[in-house]
Amino acid sequence: NAGVTQTPKFRVLKTGQSMTLLCAQDMNHEYMYWYRQDPGMGLRLIHYSVGEGTTAKGEVPDGYNVSRLKKQNFLLGLESAAPSQTSVYFCASSKDGPVYGYTFGSGTRLTVV
Amino acid sequence: AQSVTQLDSQVPVFEEAPVELRCNYSSSVSVYLFWYVQYPNQGLQLLLKYLSGSTLVKGINGFEAEFNKSQTSFHLRKPSVHISDTAEYFCAVTEINNAGNMLTFGGGTRLMVKP
Repeated sequence: NAGVTQTPKFRVLKTGQSMTLLCAQDMNHEYMYWYRQDPGMGLRLIHYSVGEGTTAKGEVPDGYNVSRLKKQNFLLGLESAAPSQTSVYFCASSKDGPVYGYTFGSGTRLTVV
Repeated sequence: AQSVTQLDSQVPVFEEAPVELRCNYSSSVSVYLFWYVQYPNQGLQLLLKYLSGSTLVKGINGFEAEFNKSQTSFHLRKPSVHISDTAEYFCAVTEINNAGNMLTFGGGTRLMVKP
């Protein structure tokens, strides 16, 4: 009964380094989302997916890429990290869109120095 | 485009007092509305949602919210708070014709319950 699992939980990167954040869900949900949370700004949508093999841009997609090769996994990549990408990243999944409610992971705290 | 404004970034309140967290939204079409709660070092959890019908919606942990279409508001209330309600609360909206895709969140309100 894991729900949504995010790895890693913490990471420190140097400017220019790359990394991939993994989100895995075991609820057979179609929809998956990546948000970033910054103080006073709430959660902002980076990218989302409405099904296996699909991705779409959200509100703040620049500097990020995503892939959804398997239904249960949604990967978020940073090709060349910048200090402005220091944030807490949340993955969420949903059965059929926000009407059914989102299930969130516990977050990844990323610091870019 | 949809947007959400949470009018208070922090709300301090004493235990057993009532509380209201304010939320206003903007949209040119009909919307669905949500409140989520985030406890320290955790992800967000759904508190309640308004989809249709009665404008007073009851959620978990004794919270309720009232949808007011003319005021474009969806304020969250609890008649008597507990220390355990200390958390950050997020209002969120999705347009009905875009319901399959994304939620837009407000900036959050930090509820601080004092003994």
